[in-house]
Amino acid sequence: DAGITQSPRHKVTETGTPVTLRCHQTENHRYMYWYRQDPGHGLRLIHYSYGVKDTDKGEVSDGYSVSRSKTEDFLLTLESATSSQTSVYFCAIRGLAGASNEQFFGPGTRLTVL
Amino acid sequence: DQQVKQNSPSLSVQEGRISILNCDYTNSMFDYFLWYKKYPAEGPTFLISISSIKDKNEDGRFTVFLNKSAKHLSLHIVPSQPGDSAVYFCAAKTFGNEKLTFGTGTRLTIIP
Repeated sequence: DAGITQSPRHKVTETGTPVTLRCHQTENHRYMYWYRQDPGHGLRLIHYSYGVKDTDKGEVSDGYSVSRSKTEDFLLTLESATSSQTSVYFCAIRGLAGASNEQFFGPGTRLTVL
Repeated sequence: DQQVKQNSPSLSVQEGRISILNCDYTNSMFDYFLWYKKYPAEGPTFLISISSIKDKNEDGRFTVFLNKSAKHLSLHIVPSQPGDSAVYFCAAKTFGNEKLTFGTGTRLTIIP
C-alpha cells in the first residue's frame, strides 16, 4: 500500500466549469504523477512533479495545470472542462530506493464532463 | 504512435494452466519494463519488472521474459488462479525519463 488517496473518487461536471482533483500521499515521496486512462490508449502521463513547486509536462498536458505546494499533495486542475477530458484519472508516486523505476498508483477518480 | 503494443485485447485460460500475456515495443531506447494488474474501479497494481540487462525475472507465480532483439516481452502466470482475472498492462520507460509508456491492456479471464 503506497498510502495514496485521491479525491473525489467520482465527479460529474459541466463543460466550461473548473475542476480540481487532489492526490494525497503519506510517505514523503518526492516524485508524483498524474495519468489519464482512456479506452484504446492505456494510461498516458499528463504532468508530474519532482518536488514542491517543481513540475513538468507529460505527453497530454494541454488543458491541464498542476500545483504542488506541499510534499504530500499534488493537485490537477482542468481550468475549463471539456467533454474530451471525460476519463479516469490516476495519481502515482515513484518508488523509493531499490524501486525507483516503479510507479505505484492511487485508486483513481472517474470524471464525467457533460 | 503506439510505442508499446498489446495486440490481444482478451485472453481466457483454464484455472491451473499457464497464462501468457504478450507485449511488443518499437522504441529501442526503452530500458526498463513493467507489468501492472488492474481490477475494475481500482488503480493499477505493480506486479513485476525487468531491466533490459536481463532476459528473465521471476517472482512467485509470475515470470517476465524479455527478448530485446525481437522487442518483445511476455508475462507468464503459473498456475493461473481465479483471482488473476483482471486487465494486465505492460509499460516501458527510458533511463532518465519519468514517463511510463503503457500498452492498451489485455483482459485475462481465468475459467474455473
